[in-house]
Amino acid sequence: SQTIHQWPATLVQPVGSPLSLECTVEGTSNPNLYWYRQAAGRGLQLLFYSVGIGQISSEVPQNLSASRPQDRQFILSSKKLLLSDSGFYLCAWSETGTGGTEAFFGQGTRLTVV
Amino acid sequence: DAKTTQPTSMDCAEGRAANLPCNHSTISGNEYVYWYRQIHSQGPQYIIHGLKNNETNEMASLIITEDRKSSTLILPHATLRDTAVYYCIVRVVSYGQNFVFGPGTRLSVLP
Repeated sequence: SQTIHQWPATLVQPVGSPLSLECTVEGTSNPNLYWYRQAAGRGLQLLFYSVGIGQISSEVPQNLSASRPQDRQFILSSKKLLLSDSGFYLCAWSETGTGGTEAFFGQGTRLTVV
Repeated sequence: DAKTTQPTSMDCAEGRAANLPCNHSTISGNEYVYWYRQIHSQGPQYIIHGLKNNETNEMASLIITEDRKSSTLILPHATLRDTAVYYCIVRVVSYGQNFVFGPGTRLSVLP
């Protein structure tokens, strides 16, 4: 069966520090991968998605970047965190193919920038 | 921007059916309707999806109007554990096959 791993679960980082959040998927090949952010009390905002290794599309210009060095690995990074980067970050995957497939989410990383 | 409109919040008595509406008047022919829910501080959980026909699974039923401009998620016997934010999503079938979430409906199941 397929599983998605996201870590760390919680993170407190000072302003200006770098960030690296990692997400890996098991049990599937060539998944679509997504990074979402949820600010406190808000809905989910799509940040990045990837349909293959090295292929990243950004939905929102921001202080963050994403990379996909391996088929089932998706990394969210920042060189210098801002206070506004605080939030709940979620990784998700879906199978490639038609629009009839659902997305599966990890348990999220709660980032607090102080 | 999300392509769906949902009420901000709803209440439902425990044991009764919860009917959550969603408007998606600009849906196109190849777009599916998806429902997810998010319990506090967890990742969203897939519930159900459909294209034209009504769908049912072990969690819920999805009723899509004939013109596909609206749908209703039905939880037949709501429990306290169904308290969550419910998201209705119209799937953009394009490069990346994105899932665009709106603010959702906060369902409170009351004892």
